[in-house]
Amino acid sequence: RKEVEQDPGPFNVPEGATVAFNCTYSNSASQSFFWYRQDCRKEPKLLMSVYSSGNEDGRFTAQLNRASQYISLLIRDSKLSDSATYLCVVNKGFSGGYNKLIFGAGTRLAVHP
Amino acid sequence: DAGVIQSPRHEVTEMGQEVTLRCKPISGHNSLFWYRQTMMRGLELLIYFNNNVPIDDSGMPEDRFSAKMPNASFSTLKIQPSEPRDSAVYFCASSLLVDTEAFFGQGTRLTVV
Repeated sequence: RKEVEQDPGPFNVPEGATVAFNCTYSNSASQSFFWYRQDCRKEPKLLMSVYSSGNEDGRFTAQLNRASQYISLLIRDSKLSDSATYLCVVNKGFSGGYNKLIFGAGTRLAVHP
Repeated sequence: DAGVIQSPRHEVTEMGQEVTLRCKPISGHNSLFWYRQTMMRGLELLIYFNNNVPIDDSGMPEDRFSAKMPNASFSTLKIQPSEPRDSAVYFCASSLLVDTEAFFGQGTRLTVV
């Protein structure tokens, strides 16, 4: 089983739609979680961190369910510019507090007019 | 700060040749990561340094791959000898602390023919 699993998509949605991505992780000791965005032929960039209580940033909402070991990202009112690959990232953690980020394979989103 | 700087941006080499990829992390960051990205395997962590010391190199595919970090501002990833299956985009990333965002360089697109 992969450490971080995502539905690869693609998700093809019209502008204005609401779309949700889920991600599951295997290591119950994971401490922190992120969503990254990667545009075609570009480097990944942080979209938002995911907190236990859930958090929102404009049209984007991230949630964490530790009991079920999954993370979600909700995008409301989709824009053409949201078209990208969304990467779920889990900090696996080592003893001593070292930081090891494990990336999912990504979910492709295509927003069309 | 200019961000994480990688060189070269593109590299085309013949099978059997030595390839050296370079990375300058963000000043003050104490963690450095080398990732490889392909369509088939997604983003894979190759090796991770903390305070210039390799912490986890379990992702390095073979002995042909080696990485060094002689000081806090420079790291190299070397492939010797290179093979066509090494063709990928290689990303370097750095982060400041445990549980914080990793910033990526623009990547090196390697093609081995």
